[in-house]
Amino acid sequence: GAGVSQSPRYKVAKRGQDVALRCDPISGHVSLFWYQQALGQGPEFLTYFQNEAQLDKSGLPSDRFFAERPEGSVSTLKIQRTQQEDSAVYLCASSARDRGMNTEAFFGQGTRLTVV
Amino acid sequence: AQSVTQLGSHVSVSEGALVLLRCNYSSSVPPYLFWYVQYPNQGLQLLLKYTTGATLVKGINGFEAEFKKSETSFHLTKPSAHMSDAAEYFCAVSGRNYGGSQGNLIFGKGTKLSVKP
Repeated sequence: GAGVSQSPRYKVAKRGQDVALRCDPISGHVSLFWYQQALGQGPEFLTYFQNEAQLDKSGLPSDRFFAERPEGSVSTLKIQRTQQEDSAVYLCASSARDRGMNTEAFFGQGTRLTVV
Repeated sequence: AQSVTQLGSHVSVSEGALVLLRCNYSSSVPPYLFWYVQYPNQGLQLLLKYTTGATLVKGINGFEAEFKKSETSFHLTKPSAHMSDAAEYFCAVSGRNYGGSQGNLIFGKGTKLSVKP
């Protein structure tokens, strides 16, 4: 597609429910990032993939959060046993590989998760 | 460790007035700095970035920012505000670098810009 696509755009989950958020990066982009943006805050890094390899998951807030990118393209962020504090917008970004830092990260529109 | 501080969570200007959004950073290595804009219910769009070279960086929609190492600042400016500039603006610094590939971004808390007619 032309840009980074995320689905669903909105998700309401009951506390304790499992959810899965999908990200379709720009075709051919090697790098993929997930960020969490709480209300009134800036995005915070969750995890990073280079192709199918998850090179950094240091930002995942708990072991209830799990991300995968099995074929190096589409990625899924899964949250188990959702809690109210998980309510946030989850942003996905992708970028092409470059030897330096001159590549731009393109962001999707995000998935707004509300846990009730 | 890297961090970003944006001074002022809300800024209001009149249409046609100067826009100045402040950003200070902390970085233990030469920083790569970014400004992103976010419209309601939209993702983040890159306005401009500083990596190396010229310290005055021009971006889209008439915005520019100047990297000042001595002040650890990267303030965003636009000479004349337009109604369509109303949005939230985020300053970011590059975080961990993954062996040459694009690193993660560390964002400030954002500044919401309002433009009065």
